[in-house]
Amino acid sequence: AQSVTQLDSQVPVFEEAPVELRCNYSSSVSVYLFWYVQYPNQGLQLLLKYLSGSTLVKGINGFEAEFNKSQTSFHLRKPSVHISDTAEYFCAVSEAGGSYIPTFGRGTSLIVHP
Amino acid sequence: KAGVTQTPRYLIKTRGQQVTLSCSPISGHRSVSWYQQTPGQGLQFLFEYFSETQRNKGNFPGRFSGRQFSNSRSEMNVSTLELGDSALYLCASSPPDGADTQYFGPGTRLTVL
Repeated sequence: AQSVTQLDSQVPVFEEAPVELRCNYSSSVSVYLFWYVQYPNQGLQLLLKYLSGSTLVKGINGFEAEFNKSQTSFHLRKPSVHISDTAEYFCAVSEAGGSYIPTFGRGTSLIVHP
Repeated sequence: KAGVTQTPRYLIKTRGQQVTLSCSPISGHRSVSWYQQTPGQGLQFLFEYFSETQRNKGNFPGRFSGRQFSNSRSEMNVSTLELGDSALYLCASSPPDGADTQYFGPGTRLTVL
């Protein structure tokens, strides 16, 4: 079984500042890793995913994440945030080559202030 | 291509009633998964259907059930509603060539009074 820990429940930041949302996972097997974003009253939208290969993954809306196997982390970063990035962000893990059913973290609320 | 659609978007029921939620996946997607999202428990996996068969199941009581039709549309049913069933129910579909990626619908907000 896998588990995901999102270390910060809320991250406030000013517009145009950089941001990092932290995610650590636990698994005894190889994993796939995902970041999703959820805007108010909407479903989840995939930002990026790591399946294999390069550990630096680029996604939509200027986000990127780096897979660090030794630290079992998959932190999400953006060099300059906008007001429109205010949303809930979910990190998820699934078993590589397995059922593909992801286990989600509890979410990090990113609040961008003007 | 149209996204995942869920109906209804909002629903209010009373304790003891039953409810049916509907999900239409993206055209060509055969896998449909259901999740319950609450502030207290976060996102929890309910079940997954593939080609009309339940392929995976989460840890929910038997009051929660689902089915999938030949056109891949799926329904989820909750019987004997409890206050704790109030949640956002999300449906997600996956393409045959990218089963690792799920595409989510907007959800159905269920309120149990």
